[in-house]
Amino acid sequence: NAGVMQNPRHLVRRRGQEARLRCSPMKGHSHVYWYRQLPEEGLKFMVYLQKENIIDESGMPKERFSAEFPKEGPSILRIQQVVRGDSAAYFCASSPSLGNGYTFGSGTRLTVV
Amino acid sequence: EDKVVQSPLSLVVHEGDTVTLNCSYEVTNFRSLLWYKQEKKAPTFLFMLTSSGIEKKSGRLSSILDKKELFSILNITATQTGDSAIYLCAVEDNTDKLIFGTGTRLQVFP
Repeated sequence: NAGVMQNPRHLVRRRGQEARLRCSPMKGHSHVYWYRQLPEEGLKFMVYLQKENIIDESGMPKERFSAEFPKEGPSILRIQQVVRGDSAAYFCASSPSLGNGYTFGSGTRLTVV
Repeated sequence: EDKVVQSPLSLVVHEGDTVTLNCSYEVTNFRSLLWYKQEKKAPTFLFMLTSSGIEKKSGRLSSILDKKELFSILNITATQTGDSAIYLCAVEDNTDKLIFGTGTRLQVFP
């Protein structure tokens, strides 16, 4: 079992470009969560998805950010027109079902220059 | 607003010392409290606590939850340099979200 796989590990984008972050959950896990960790801050919840459904996106910025978890393939966190303030580590976690613990991926470190 | 507060923010000790990390919380719909260790990569799971007063142990690490006073502690005895990391406390609410504290950065020197 390869665990939660995130790619890329590091991503550098210029201001105004798009960033696409991928997360493949653990085998058998149908719940995916995205968290953002800004420098010197704790992880902050962004969005919770199940296959083809967004369950809770209360932590997502209202503009430029979107997430999906299609029937086939990884979950994608998409940031359009990136700004320097988007520079952070983005972690994905997966869970087999509610209340059954989370496994985190190694994160994608996004740097906007 | 739900919040989780960890203290101290940073701790520097020598190998062999014992440390206590604190986590207090104000979360409306508490389901469980979790501790993670974060080195340079993914947060790795340490403990999940749901009941007050029951200590969980794993080797030199132990943790306990007090749901009346709304806090938890993580103890590490006989610290080693490999214990150097950021220790994260998170509370899971009934919507399946984790609310994290900012973490305690522990540095253990030989």
